[in-house]
Amino acid sequence: QLQLQESGPGLLKPSETLSLTCTVSGGSITNTTSYWAWIRQPPGKGLEWIGSIYYSGTTYYNPSLKSRVTMSLDTSKNQFSLKLSSATAADTAVYYCARHGDYYDNSGYYDYWGLGTLVTVSS
Amino acid sequence: EIVMTQSPATLSVSPGERATLSCRASRSVSSLLAWYQQKPGQAPRLLIYGASTRATGIPARFSGSGSGTEFTLTISSLQSEDFAVYYCQQYNNWPLTFGGGTKVEIK
Repeated sequence: QLQLQESGPGLLKPSETLSLTCTVSGGSITNTTSYWAWIRQPPGKGLEWIGSIYYSGTTYYNPSLKSRVTMSLDTSKNQFSLKLSSATAADTAVYYCARHGDYYDNSGYYDYWGLGTLVTVSS
Repeated sequence: EIVMTQSPATLSVSPGERATLSCRASRSVSSLLAWYQQKPGQAPRLLIYGASTRATGIPARFSGSGSGTEFTLTISSLQSEDFAVYYCQQYNNWPLTFGGGTKVEIK
């Protein structure tokens, strides 16, 4: 059974870079049918896709965040990561990592999720 | 970007009754539509993909229908554990987008 676990600082100051890591267990992030995603949810609000990364390193980012987002893989640790630069209070949210299937095979739905981690941006 | 609009925002239903939730896409997503359930403090859980296919372990009282731009999630007889927020998501185009959610509350 695939399991995902987010980790990273829960508090940062405005203008700092938000950095989170998702550790995957029970499966490999180099699986060719898997994409690895970050999704966030501001308190009391809905879900927003941030971006997805494929095992090859190909990335897909939400255009609204693209200028500030970088995602990467660490295959040796079976982890993938998110960096969001120039954070503001509007970036305060629960951040989830998740797995979805091959978008190009019509499987872009999220079937495995981490528990989520709250990140607060405040001075 | 495909905009997903869910209605109503809140649905008040008595246990045992049927709940019907709607999701509309700003342009066609074919049948590439998923539904998720989220309870307070928990991650979303996949209920339906391909507009009508139940995910593993999802009870038969959950059903999905629709294609193109209009989709429906039906819960045939609401159980206490079904009171939650439900989201639709399209995966026909990047960026992958979610609807704003429908909260199903106890009447």
